Amino acid sequence: QQPVQSPQAVILREGEDAVINCSSSKALYSVHWYRQKHGEAPVFLMILLKGGEQKGHEKISASFNEKKQQSSLYLTASQLSYSGTYFCGTETSGSARQLTFGSGTQLTVLP
Amino acid sequence: DAGITQSPRHKVTETGTPVTLRCHQTENHRYMYWYRQDPGHGLRLIHYSYGVKDTDKGEVSDGYSVSRSKTEDFLLTLESATSSQTSVYFCAIPGAGELFFGEGSRLTVL
Repeated sequence: QQPVQSPQAVILREGEDAVINCSSSKALYSVHWYRQKHGEAPVFLMILLKGGEQKGHEKISASFNEKKQQSSLYLTASQLSYSGTYFCGTETSGSARQLTFGSGTQLTVLP
Repeated sequence: DAGITQSPRHKVTETGTPVTLRCHQTENHRYMYWYRQDPGHGLRLIHYSYGVKDTDKGEVSDGYSVSRSKTEDFLLTLESATSSQTSVYFCAIPGAGELFFGEGSRLTVL
């Protein structure tokens, strides 16, 4: 079953913060986050493993609550380059990298 | 960047015609995947392969078949294309923990 992402869309001004949430009804082994620009392929941001710690990548970080099967992506002091569609991908076992993706969150950063 | 290429990048075809999309990798990886991407649905797994001649179905496999006769190539075939198969198709291979996606193949079925 597809994980649920929220919000579906968000518009920010440069320098503002945003949080994107991903929730699954299944027990998860890992959560992946990807960003996709219009007309391009999705690009990997980070992975959070069961039992792992919060990850960070410059001003983008994420957390994984194993008890609730939820992950959140935090974008701080957003830049114009952060615009795009963000997808979470969830994995229920450690094999085969079979990811199930959410429907995406469209993030627009305005000057 | 992972060595993964897709062809064709764009294709327009008519309902009922067969279509084959090709994914080529230079990473010698066992696993390869085909996803389709549609508005409001994100990326959905069609089929995947875990070795030469070893393939399995994903969540939206109906109407699609795949073949893998060589490690480097993974073919996706629509035996008789329908308008509901109009989509962007992405091939992917695993990296250290992530998936690397090809550039995508945009298919339009008229």
